[in-house]
Amino acid sequence: NAGVIQTPRHKVTGKGQEATLWCEPISGHSAVFWYRQTIVQGLEFLTYFRNQAPIDDSGMPKERFSAQMPNQSHSTLKIQSTQPQDSAVYLCASSHRDRAAEQFFGPGTRLTVL
Amino acid sequence: QQQVRQSSQSLTVWEGETAILNCSYENSAFDYFPWYQQFPGEGPALLIAIRSVSDKKEDGRFTIFFNKREKNLSLHIKDSQPGDSATYFCAASYNAPRFGAGTKLSVKP
Repeated sequence: NAGVIQTPRHKVTGKGQEATLWCEPISGHSAVFWYRQTIVQGLEFLTYFRNQAPIDDSGMPKERFSAQMPNQSHSTLKIQSTQPQDSAVYLCASSHRDRAAEQFFGPGTRLTVL
Repeated sequence: QQQVRQSSQSLTVWEGETAILNCSYENSAFDYFPWYQQFPGEGPALLIAIRSVSDKKEDGRFTIFFNKREKNLSLHIKDSQPGDSATYFCAASYNAPRFGAGTKLSVKP
C-alpha cells in the first residue's frame, strides 16, 4: 500500500521561474493538505482540500502561490516567479475526510531557488 | 501568530532517561492534539494523539499529559533510546491541524 507520493523529490529553479509540485494522496483519502517547512518557520500550513474542493487556504501567500486538486488522485502546488525565500521543503499530507488531524505525510519536495 | 507553541527548539537527554517535550496553545476551540515524529529526509509521522476530554494518553513508552484549563500538554518519552532522536511536532486541531515549530530531541547513548 503506497503512501503519499510527492514528485519531484528535489527541484532547483532559477529566480523568476515557475515551479509545479505534485502530490498523489493515499487511495481513499479525501482530504489533502500542503505545508511548507523551513528551519526558521517550522511547519507552516498552506492549504487544504476536501473532496477536491478548497476548504482553507489561509496559509497560502496571496501572490504567486496557487494550489489545485483536479481529481481525487492528485493535487498540485504551483509557485510562479519563484524567489530565493521560497526555498523550503514542501510537504503534502492526506487523511480520511473526518479525521483531518490524523495525517499521512509524503516525503516532501525540496525546492531550491537560486 | 503562533497558535501552537513548543517551548524548546531542542532537547538532549541520555539513553534511559525520560524526555519531556512541552507544548501550549491559544485557541480554546482546539479539541484534538496529535504529536508527530519526523526523521531527517522524511515527512512527519503520527506518533500519538489525545482528545481534549482526556487528561492522559499512553502508548508504550509515549505518554501525553493534557491540561485543558492551562491550555498546555506534554509528551513524555520514557526510557529514551538513541532511535528516538528526531524532531517532534505538537499539533492542535478542530479542523485542519496547526503545528508547533518542533522540538529536536537528541538521545545520547
